[in-house]
Amino acid sequence: NAGVMQNPRHLVRRRGQEARLRCSPMKGHSHVYWYRQLPEEGLKFMVYLQKENIIDESGMPKERFSAEFPKEGPSILRIQQVVRGDSAAYFCASSPLQGSSYNSPLHFGNGTRLTVT
Amino acid sequence: SQQGEEDPQALSIQEGENATMNCSYKTSINNLQWYRQNSGRGLVHLILIRSNEREKHSGRLRVTLDTSKKSSSLLITASRAADTASYFCATVPGGSGGYNKLIFGAGTRLAVHP
Repeated sequence: NAGVMQNPRHLVRRRGQEARLRCSPMKGHSHVYWYRQLPEEGLKFMVYLQKENIIDESGMPKERFSAEFPKEGPSILRIQQVVRGDSAAYFCASSPLQGSSYNSPLHFGNGTRLTVT
Repeated sequence: SQQGEEDPQALSIQEGENATMNCSYKTSINNLQWYRQNSGRGLVHLILIRSNEREKHSGRLRVTLDTSKKSSSLLITASRAADTASYFCATVPGGSGGYNKLIFGAGTRLAVHP
């Protein structure tokens, strides 16, 4: 009964490179959320996806950031041309279809820590 | 801007003591949730309290919600060293579209000393 799996756990990129972060939700979950956490801060909502659909991307920067959740495979958060300010921990969370309402808690992965040098 | 703000930012206590953390928020909410985060790990859900509820318990945890004051508290009784972690409150604002778009506070860092 694996939880939410994120990889890689740590990712180092030079400025200008691309970062790809992967998230496999819990089995049976078809809703995925991405959050970003800066040091000593709480998590900030980025994007909410269902299978093959972006439902809410209001927290995601308009440029360089994109997210997808294909019919098959993990959800991907992609950051192009990374800058130092993108250094943060990126967390994925999932919820089940039946419990997709706001009264179901989210299940979080252990995050990907992105460092841009 | 952040919805929730936790108080205190950091709390240091001895094992066996109680720990109380407070959270204030700004807008109407559907529910308020508390999560725990151990260093370098993801968040673990503790308790969800709906806007029409005033108090909930789960084991050694007790959460209260006062919607008139837009505030909540988390009480951990008989604390243990294993309770050392950061604790976050998160709200689902009213009119959020029916999904779990959580707005987090900055957290309280709890240290429980043996």
